[in-house]
Amino acid sequence: AQSVAQPEDQVKVAEGNPLTVKCTYSVSGNPYLFWYVQYPNRGLQFLLKYITGDNLVKGSYGFEAEFNKSQTSFHLKKPSALVSDSALYFCAVRVFSGNTPLVFGKGTRLSVIA
Amino acid sequence: GAGVSQSPSNKVTEKGKDVELRCDPISGHTALYWYRQSLGQGLEFLIYFQGNSAPDKSGLPSDRFSAERTGGSVSTLTIQRTQQEDSAVYLCASSLETGAYEQYFGPGTRLTVT
Repeated sequence: AQSVAQPEDQVKVAEGNPLTVKCTYSVSGNPYLFWYVQYPNRGLQFLLKYITGDNLVKGSYGFEAEFNKSQTSFHLKKPSALVSDSALYFCAVRVFSGNTPLVFGKGTRLSVIA
Repeated sequence: GAGVSQSPSNKVTEKGKDVELRCDPISGHTALYWYRQSLGQGLEFLIYFQGNSAPDKSGLPSDRFSAERTGGSVSTLTIQRTQQEDSAVYLCASSLETGAYEQYFGPGTRLTVT
């Protein structure tokens, strides 16, 4: 079975500071990992994904994430937060092989304070 | 190009009535997914379609829920005899294929059962 944990319901950071949104996963096999963002009253938008290769993945809006196989983590990071980054962030995983659906975490609400 | 569209954007219905929610995926995308997002919860997988294969219905919460995809394109999610616990935002997504491909989400249909 696949599962994703986002241990923090909410993260608050000051504008200009670095931000981290945590994600850990559990799969039987190699994972595909994704981050999505949801702005108020809008659908989810794809940010970045890890498939294979370089453990550091760069995505949209200056976000990046680091795949750590030993810690089964895929934390989302940004060097300098903007107020406009305030949104709900979802981590998701699917197993490398087979047609299994994407499993999402419960989401982390990021608030960037000016 | 055009993204995933869903209709209606909002639906209020009385308990016990049937509702149909529509999803138009991105042209050329072979995979289509339905999710449910309840307040304060993550995304709950409902069903997905991949090409001409039989759909994966493993996430449907009860036999009151069904979905079809006509001609490999438009999909309709039907909820029969709606209950108050069905109130949620229903999100549709499509992707080029399954596996490593990211999903593109529609804006959702907010269903309220009174």
